[in-house]
This record gives sequence, C-alpha cells and structure tokens, in this order.
Amino acid sequence: EVHLVESGGGLVQSGGSLRLSCAASGFTFNTYGMNWVRQAPGKGLEWVSYISSSSSAILYADTVKARFTISRDNAKNSLYLQMNSLRAEDTAVYYCARDGGRVRGVIDPDYWGQGTLVTVSS
Amino acid sequence: QAVVTQEPSLTVSPGGTLTLTCGSSTGPVTSGHYPYWFQQKPGQAPRTLIYHTSNKHSWTPARFSGSLLGGKAALTLLGAQPEDEADYYCFLSYSGTYVFGTGTKVTVL
Repeated sequence: EVHLVESGGGLVQSGGSLRLSCAASGFTFNTYGMNWVRQAPGKGLEWVSYISSSSSAILYADTVKARFTISRDNAKNSLYLQMNSLRAEDTAVYYCARDGGRVRGVIDPDYWGQGTLVTVSS
Repeated sequence: QAVVTQEPSLTVSPGGTLTLTCGSSTGPVTSGHYPYWFQQKPGQAPRTLIYHTSNKHSWTPARFSGSLLGGKAALTLLGAQPEDEADYYCFLSYSGTYVFGTGTKVTVL
C-alpha cells in the first residue's frame, strides 16, 4: 500500500526558512516522480513543484520559483522541500503526491499524503 | 497564468445526477490539457478520481465519470451518495504549467 507522510511543518516568521520532508513507502520510490501541492486555509489547491525519479527534471510554480527547492534522497525514500524567504502567503497545508508518470512531461498526481501545516507569521 | 473556473457550489439529491464543469480562460479545454478531477472531504487530503479526461483509478467509484463537454472538462456523478459530499477540483496542464480549478463544493441534500 502506498503511504506518504509529510513532516517538518510549523510556525515560522516571515523571511524565515523551513524544510519539509515526505517519507514514502509501499512502492519503488526511485522509479516515480513526486510533487508538492499546497492549500492555504479555506482556499483551493495550488501545485508547487515536481521532481523526476532521478532528479533530472525539476519544475516550480512561478509563485515559489527562486525561493523553494525540491529535492529527494532515493536511498532514504524521501522527498524534501526547502522553503526560504517565506511570506505570509506561503501559509498552507503542504501535501506531497506521487506522480504516476503516465505521460512524459505531464504532471500526474495519483497518491497523496495527509499534509503538513506551514504557518508564516508576519 | 491561465484561470481555471468551476461552479462554486452545487446541490444534488441522494440518487440524483450532477455534472461539474471545468473551463479555461485560454479557450476550450481539450484532451491535451490532460484534465484531472480530485475529491477532497473536510479535513482530509485530496484523492484523485479521474485522470486524463476520463480514466478512473482502481478506487474511483463507478458512479463517477469524466468527459469533455461543450469546451470544458466535466465530471458526472450518477446516483449521488451522501458520502459524495465534498469539494471537487479539476486540474489542467498548460505545456509545463499546471493549474487547479477554483473548486466546486458539492452538497448532497
């Protein structure tokens, strides 16, 4: 059974940094791309970032480009999101989602974690 | 960036039929946008229901189906159940940019 568990969320001041982690199990992690998706309180979903299985392809939403860095450690079955220069508008629940990879070059979220809350205080 | 628009809220009676739509500010939605549909219940993570317009996952109830309808992506619920009460989001691909819809709150009443 696919299992994704996010951690690392918390309260941080505006301008600060935070690193999120996503622990994966139940599938061969090093053969799947991964995504981060966020949801501000009471708002809709926003795709944040994607990383391919080998880390050779990385994509970011314009809203986080140059501030956030996605990475992975296939030996540890883990996905990360380093968030720098945080702003109040980054406050959200951050979900990791496995990428099914059915079509090359197209984001394909299939399984989702339960999310971790990041609160940026101004 | 493209804006992807959904109905803010819809109500359906138990056993009834409902169609949600997903439109794009850039023009008609096509299969090339690889439309997705996600269901999210209060306090829960999203769950992927439909991928690439009309394909279902193993966990997708048979009463849900996806299609293209009048230049929009559509999610049809045939025979609504109380447990279908949730928020539904579509998701479109734009050549390397990815946008979620505004979401539809579905009430089963």
